[in-house]
Amino acid sequence: EAQVTQNPRYLITVTGKKLTVTCSQNMNHEYMSWYRQDPGLGLRQIYYSMNVEVTDKGDVPEGYKVSRKEKRNFPLILESPSPNQTSLYFCASSPKTGTDTQYFGPGTRLTVL
Amino acid sequence: AQKVTQAQTEISVVEKEDVTLDCVYETRDTTYYLFWYKQPPSGELVFLIRRNSFDEQNEISGRYSWNFQKSTSSFNFTITASQVVDSAVYFCALSEVYNTDKLIFGTGTRLQVFP
Repeated sequence: EAQVTQNPRYLITVTGKKLTVTCSQNMNHEYMSWYRQDPGLGLRQIYYSMNVEVTDKGDVPEGYKVSRKEKRNFPLILESPSPNQTSLYFCASSPKTGTDTQYFGPGTRLTVL
Repeated sequence: AQKVTQAQTEISVVEKEDVTLDCVYETRDTTYYLFWYKQPPSGELVFLIRRNSFDEQNEISGRYSWNFQKSTSSFNFTITASQVVDSAVYFCALSEVYNTDKLIFGTGTRLQVFP
């Protein structure tokens, strides 16, 4: 089944404790992206990747890192999480670019205490 | 600058009513794509439609229909004979061909359909 998976689905952590949210797709898509969803703000892009080893900042990249060492995986890294990073995070992928239909993972709800 | 506005924060209807969700966008690109996604209470994002800026024909899919009007920069979504299962947050989004790195989302409209 074609899908985007994220892990973990739920995470409660404390300020400053490094964490990684994994994202994997099995559709051989080139484009992958991370978004965060906050009440009243919709979804905002954090980082995106056009292909392996090609990543760039989105609208709200501060406090996040990403890597794209393999086509299928695009982990989101929070080196030192802070409470303002409490949010619902979505990973997405599409065949080539952001204008293609993006398929979203199930979301990761992160709480930083 | 690109922007998507969904002015309706929340809409409540009774089952079988028709409901229209508004979406107004801003872009300087002549070539762009518009999308609608549904987020049910379970939280996932479900793709509904993708429409390019050169195709202004209205689209119908079952009880769902979309009205794209370039003249008013709007891409409205109508649900006919709404059902309780239509209760969700609906997002409109924009992606520009010459800025192909992202979807610009509106803030969403929460639709509640009561039995």
